[in-house]
Amino acid sequence: AQSVTQLDSHVSVSEGTPVLLRCNYSSSYSPSLFWYVQHPNKGLQLLLKYTSAATLVKGINGFEAEFKKSETSFHLTKPSAHMSDAAEYFCVVSDERYSTLTFGKGTMLLVSP
Amino acid sequence: DTEVTQTPKHLVMGMTNKKSLKCEQHMGHRAMYWYKQKAKKPPELMFVYSYEKLSINESVPSRFSPECPNSSLLNLHLHALQPEDSALYLCASRAAGELAGGSGANVLTFGAGSRLTVL
Repeated sequence: AQSVTQLDSHVSVSEGTPVLLRCNYSSSYSPSLFWYVQHPNKGLQLLLKYTSAATLVKGINGFEAEFKKSETSFHLTKPSAHMSDAAEYFCVVSDERYSTLTFGKGTMLLVSP
Repeated sequence: DTEVTQTPKHLVMGMTNKKSLKCEQHMGHRAMYWYKQKAKKPPELMFVYSYEKLSINESVPSRFSPECPNSSLLNLHLHALQPEDSALYLCASRAAGELAGGSGANVLTFGAGSRLTVL
């Protein structure tokens, strides 16, 4: 079985300050991990993915995430928030055995001027 | 072409209507998915097609009827829906089988969704 926990339902930052969105996972097998972003009334866009290669993964729009097996974490970071980053972010786990995705409950990122 | 296209973007229907949602991709992906997303919730898996055959049905009511007429198309037929079925319906696709593996493994590409309102 696999599961993912997003530790914060909402995160508020000021424009230009760092972003940290936290995610912990559990999986019986070697997981693939993803972060997706969803802007209001839009579909989901892949930000980045970890698939057992480098543990520090760089994604689009300046986001990156680090896979830490010992902590079962896959936190998403960005050095400097932009107003356009305001959206819902989903941490997702998939393992090869099931070939389906398990979504976290999502974290709403709010960016103030 | 790296997109999943969903039509219509918005649909309003009565409880006695019959309508369909359509999803199309031309990436050669052989796994296609329907998800349902309620407001402020993560997407919930409804159906998975693999090589045009239904492989997963997550106990979805029969008023939702999926169809995969070919490797590029996925439909969701709707009949006698309830107001609580109002949601954003997302289609996604993924390379499967021999096309999977490497950096593309397990990556789902989502469409923009069809916003359904049932009156």
